[in-house]
Amino acid sequence: NAGVMQNPRHLVRRRGQEARLRCSPMKGHSHVYWYRQLPEEGLKFMVYLQKENIIDESGMPKERFSAEFPKEGPSILRIQQVVRGDSAAYFCASSPPGRQWQETQYFGPGTRLLVL
Amino acid sequence: DQQVKQNSPSLSVQEGRISILNCDYTNSMFDYFLWYKKYPAEGPTFLISISSIKDKNEDGRFTVFLNKSAKHLSLHIVPSQPGDSAVYFCAARTNNAGNMLTFGGGTRLMVKP
Repeated sequence: NAGVMQNPRHLVRRRGQEARLRCSPMKGHSHVYWYRQLPEEGLKFMVYLQKENIIDESGMPKERFSAEFPKEGPSILRIQQVVRGDSAAYFCASSPPGRQWQETQYFGPGTRLLVL
Repeated sequence: DQQVKQNSPSLSVQEGRISILNCDYTNSMFDYFLWYKKYPAEGPTFLISISSIKDKNEDGRFTVFLNKSAKHLSLHIVPSQPGDSAVYFCAARTNNAGNMLTFGGGTRLMVKP
């Protein structure tokens, strides 16, 4: 049973470009979470999605950031017009259906975004 | 406002001895706590969790203790092994806050052979 998959593992963008980060949850998992880790800090929640629905985006910056989890295919975190402060590791986690507060979130290996 | 704090950025322990990692929280609404281990260039790996209705949970070499009155939890690893060297994050969740995890800043554990 494959774990949470993220690609690319490393992404380099110049200021003003767009970054697209992909996450495929574990088999059987229908809940996806995105977190961001700045250097030397803990992970910070960004957004929680189920298939075709954004459940909680309270941690997502209001501008330039968007996320989706379509009926088919991976979840996408999209950052438009990237700036140097967007440089971070972005982690995706997934969890199975059920009462989420009891479920463990399993993390992918992360995408390390570097903005030049 | 940092709701989950790990006040020790690093900890060094001799192989075979006990490692104790600490975590404090301020939000009394947290009712579920988790510990994750993270190696460089990898994602966090789930270790152990505890519900607020318990004060202890044990899994092999790992034990988590929860003191709700002090808003404090700790992870004990015994005996410590060199392969345990990693960054350890505690995380907390409420059951009515969108299920997001709130993480501490992490403690880097080094186990010396």
